[in-house]
Amino acid sequence: GAGVSQSPSNKVTEKGKDVELRCDPISGHTALYWYRQSLGQGLEFLIYFQGNSAPDKSGLPSDRFSAERTGGSVSTLTIQRTQQEDSAVYLCASSRDFRSSYNEQFFGPGTRLTVL
Amino acid sequence: AQTVTQSQPEMSVQEAETVTLSCTYDTSENNYYLFWYKQPPSRQMILVIRQEAYKQQNATENRFSVNFQKAAKSFSLKISDSQLGDTAMYFCAFSGSARQLTFGSGTQLTVLP
Repeated sequence: GAGVSQSPSNKVTEKGKDVELRCDPISGHTALYWYRQSLGQGLEFLIYFQGNSAPDKSGLPSDRFSAERTGGSVSTLTIQRTQQEDSAVYLCASSRDFRSSYNEQFFGPGTRLTVL
Repeated sequence: AQTVTQSQPEMSVQEAETVTLSCTYDTSENNYYLFWYKQPPSRQMILVIRQEAYKQQNATENRFSVNFQKAAKSFSLKISDSQLGDTAMYFCAFSGSARQLTFGSGTQLTVLP
């Protein structure tokens, strides 16, 4: 595709439910990132996938958050037992080659998650 | 850990005028990259300009230029001939040995007609 796509665009869920957010990176990009944008915390790094290596999960706020990337392409961010503080915009980005020190990241339009 | 600070939560500028957005950062790394991203109401983050820390020459992209002061750890963005379409949230970001971006808190820029 032409750019990074994310689905759904908006998601409303009830406290305690699980949600899955999807990211389709730019074709051929080997690195994929998830960020969270919330009013109180600004833009925070969550997790980073680099080629076939183990992901960098250092930004995940709790064990309720997990992510996977299948076949080196599509990624799914899963939030279990959602809480109201999980309400935020979740942004996905991809870059051509994680080994490149240039590292321009291209962002998707985000998924706005609202936990009632 | 790296930190990025944007001390101007909001700014406004008249159309066709020039405005400068400030950014400071803190790092112990010597090789890194700095970026300015723009986020309009559509939420789409768009790269405006980038600067490699090893380059002394300030980056320019059309109406956008930076003033990079490595010793002072300062990285300001100048927008010349401001246009209504420049209205957006602007984020300063850092990328070093850890590939993920560390963002500042953002500056909401409004261009007034």
